[in-house]
Amino acid sequence: QVQLQESGPGLVKPSQTLSLTCSVSGGSVSSGHHYWSWIRQHPGKGLEWIGYIYYNGNTYYNPSLKSRLTISMDASKNQFSLKLNSVTAADTAVYSCAAFDSSGYEVEYWGQGTLVTVSS
Amino acid sequence: QSVLTQPPSVSATPGQKVTISCSGSSSNIANNYVSWYQQLPGTAPKLLIYGNYKRPSGIPDRFSGSRSGTSATLGITGLQTEDEADYFCGTWDSSLSAWVFGGGTKLTVL
Repeated sequence: QVQLQESGPGLVKPSQTLSLTCSVSGGSVSSGHHYWSWIRQHPGKGLEWIGYIYYNGNTYYNPSLKSRLTISMDASKNQFSLKLNSVTAADTAVYSCAAFDSSGYEVEYWGQGTLVTVSS
Repeated sequence: QSVLTQPPSVSATPGQKVTISCSGSSSNIANNYVSWYQQLPGTAPKLLIYGNYKRPSGIPDRFSGSRSGTSATLGITGLQTEDEADYFCGTWDSSLSAWVFGGGTKLTVL
């Protein structure tokens, strides 16, 4: 059973970079069994897929966020991370890390999510 | 506005059956696998249905999924009070080149 835990600042100033890390237990980011993903939910809105990274470092980003986005992994720490540049209030959301099945067809595991507020 | 459309809420009484719809288009539901998730209050979402109709191990057969054309449906029979949760659908959208989700449906078991 894979478990995922998000960590990072809960408050980010406008124009700065939002940085979050997901710690993985019960599985390995190097295994190829999952696509390691970030998903967010704006207050009162539906879910938005941000992107994912595969064990070989290949990344797949939501085109709507691609210009501001970097997802990376640290196999030595069994973690993967999200960096979103030039944030605005519109980036305020609950950010969750998740693990898609190796087929990429479904999300097998989700983290609890962490609220990130963009405000000065 | 979510790419996939779900009713905001449904309600039913214990023991009854309920269905939750997820409406999309030819670029998503019609040509890609649909999955369904359950999010109990205060918890992380859980995979309920994948590959349109398959259940992961441990998911009771009271939960079922189907797909027809550009729509998918989650069915829950023998409703229990513990089924009260938010349910949402998801799939790949080939036009957007992105994963997309429904807006979620809140199930109330009266």
